[in-house]
Amino acid sequence: DVQLVESGGGLVQPGGSLRLSCAASGFTFNTYAMSWVRQAPGKGLEWVSTVSGSGGSTYYADSVKGRFTISRDNSKNTLYLQMNSLRAEDTAVYYCAKLRREAFDVWGQGTMVTVSS
Amino acid sequence: QSALTQPASVSGSPGQSITISCTGTSSDVGNYNLVSWYQQHPGKAPKLMIFEGSKRPSGVSNRFSGSKSGSTASLTISGLQAEDEADYYCCSYASIGTYVFETGTKVTVL
Repeated sequence: DVQLVESGGGLVQPGGSLRLSCAASGFTFNTYAMSWVRQAPGKGLEWVSTVSGSGGSTYYADSVKGRFTISRDNSKNTLYLQMNSLRAEDTAVYYCAKLRREAFDVWGQGTMVTVSS
Repeated sequence: QSALTQPASVSGSPGQSITISCTGTSSDVGNYNLVSWYQQHPGKAPKLMIFEGSKRPSGVSNRFSGSKSGSTASLTISGLQAEDEADYYCCSYASIGTYVFETGTKVTVL
């Protein structure tokens, strides 16, 4: 079965850092672009970042550009999101998602990130 | 990277049809036929229901259909059922590697 499993969420103080991971299985990981999508409590979905299948191209929402870094290790079938200079407004459930034909066809269960002092 | 807009809520009785609209701009919805729709039940991850504007992934009921006119995409649910009660989001490709979601519509089955 195709599966994505996120980890690494937790409570962090404003200005702090956190690294999220997403372990993929059941498909040829390096042939698909991958993304992170977040959802603040009680709010809608927000696209955060995308990385190409090779890892050579990355894209970011304006709200996280310069603070977040997306990467992948195709030898480990794992996607990452390094989050620095975290703010209260970054508090959300973070989902990793597989991209196919410009749609997010597989989603993980999400990992909660809370930024608070 | 502005959010797409749509009604906050839509309701219907079992068996009825409802349509959720999603209004974008000429930079996203109006420029590409790459709108996708997602269903999200409370506490669950989103599920892809429609891609490329009108195509259904394997396993998605044919009661769900998508269309587009200009900068407005639409999702129609026919034969509304209790399990269709959920939040629905549309998403549009905006440029290479970037996407924009709309604000979400809560569907209530009366």
